[in-house]
Amino acid sequence: GQNIDQPTEMTATEGAIVQINCTYQTSGFNGLFWYQQHAGEAPTFLSYNVLDGLEEKGRFSSFLSRSKGYSYLLLKELQMKDSASYLCAVMDSNYQLIWGAGTKLIIKP
Amino acid sequence: IAGITQAPTSQILAAGRRMTLRCTQDMRHNAMYWYRQDLGLGLRLIHYSNTAGTTGKGEVPDGYSVSRANTDDFPLTLASAVPSQTSVYFCASSGTSGGNEQFFGPGTRLTVL
Repeated sequence: GQNIDQPTEMTATEGAIVQINCTYQTSGFNGLFWYQQHAGEAPTFLSYNVLDGLEEKGRFSSFLSRSKGYSYLLLKELQMKDSASYLCAVMDSNYQLIWGAGTKLIIKP
Repeated sequence: IAGITQAPTSQILAAGRRMTLRCTQDMRHNAMYWYRQDLGLGLRLIHYSNTAGTTGKGEVPDGYSVSRANTDDFPLTLASAVPSQTSVYFCASSGTSGGNEQFFGPGTRLTVL
């Protein structure tokens, strides 16, 4: 079966750095996406990795290791507005997105 | 309109009733999707359409149907609603069905009693 695993909840302090991990087992791989979802709102796109390595975009970076079936999202200089759920999704061999249940990130002052 | 819209925002429905959730995008995207999101579970794909005139079944299609008569609209119909269909429904679109980001509508919160 296809499976995406990520921690259910994480807590971090404003101004700090947090790493959210995602491991996956899917039938085929056509890229990995990270989305942010604030409570009661729609998911919004953060990053896309299809090759191994680190993609940096401002305060957010995403890493991929295809051989390990592993990705992480790194958030730096945390702000209160970063409190949200972070969704990991893998595009499988049929070009369908398989979604993890999301990681709820709580930022404390 | 700009982006992708859904209607209604929320709905309470009696079991057994028929309901259509509307989704419209103005980005001229070829691919469109319907997901449901339930607490503790990831987004699950109900149906998709890679281009106007074609549709396909996702992970959880039973009890739902879709149509794609044109590029912009992708309605989702519940023929006879059941309580297990209580969920938040998101419509999304992308330029192609390949490795492009999906843009999401604001969602419809549906409660079936």
